[in-house]
Amino acid sequence: AQRVTQPEKLLSVFKGAPVELKCNYSYSGSPELFWYVQYSRQRLQLLLRHISRESIKGFTADLNKGETSFHLKKPFAQEEDSAMYYCALRDSGNTPLVFGKGTRLSVIA
Amino acid sequence: DVKVTQSSRYLVKRTGEKVFLECVQDMDHENMFWYRQDPGLGLRLIYFSYDVKMKEKGDIPEGYSVSREKKERFSLILESASTNQTSMYLCASSPPGALSNQPQHFGDGTRLSIL
Repeated sequence: AQRVTQPEKLLSVFKGAPVELKCNYSYSGSPELFWYVQYSRQRLQLLLRHISRESIKGFTADLNKGETSFHLKKPFAQEEDSAMYYCALRDSGNTPLVFGKGTRLSVIA
Repeated sequence: DVKVTQSSRYLVKRTGEKVFLECVQDMDHENMFWYRQDPGLGLRLIYFSYDVKMKEKGDIPEGYSVSREKKERFSLILESASTNQTSMYLCASSPPGALSNQPQHFGDGTRLSIL
């Protein structure tokens, strides 16, 4: 069965410090991995997806199939990065996303 | 820009009532989904639909049903509301599997309280 694990419920960092939000997955095939973000009072929105290999708002995430991880990283955290972050996985077919339980990032000034 | 609209942001109902949550999307997406979002539990899939009049159970379908009579509309029904169904409900839509690298787009959510 597919499973996504985000080990940290809450992560607090100081402004300007590096950030790493951890995500590990359990899946035997070749999954698609996503990071979603939910800012206060806003809808859940896509931050980035592994297939695009892009950097959004300074965030990057690399799929490591050997370690079955898809950690989200940013070299210098900003206060506006404070939000709830969800890692999600999908089979390469037409299936729903499976979400982790989320990590709340708090960036302290 | 994809627009997923949920009919109510906040809803208060009583135990035992039949509750309808409505969701409409404007991008002609085949796939639509209902999740509930609870602190510490993340998003859990209730039901989803790949096409009109089609539905599939998700991980926690008990106590819920759905209706998809039109492509753009996906309704979640609480047959007899109970207090443990107090939650934030999120609707999402996405294109079909041929475009499976496309993400799900979410609505603003309905915060439902059952008294």
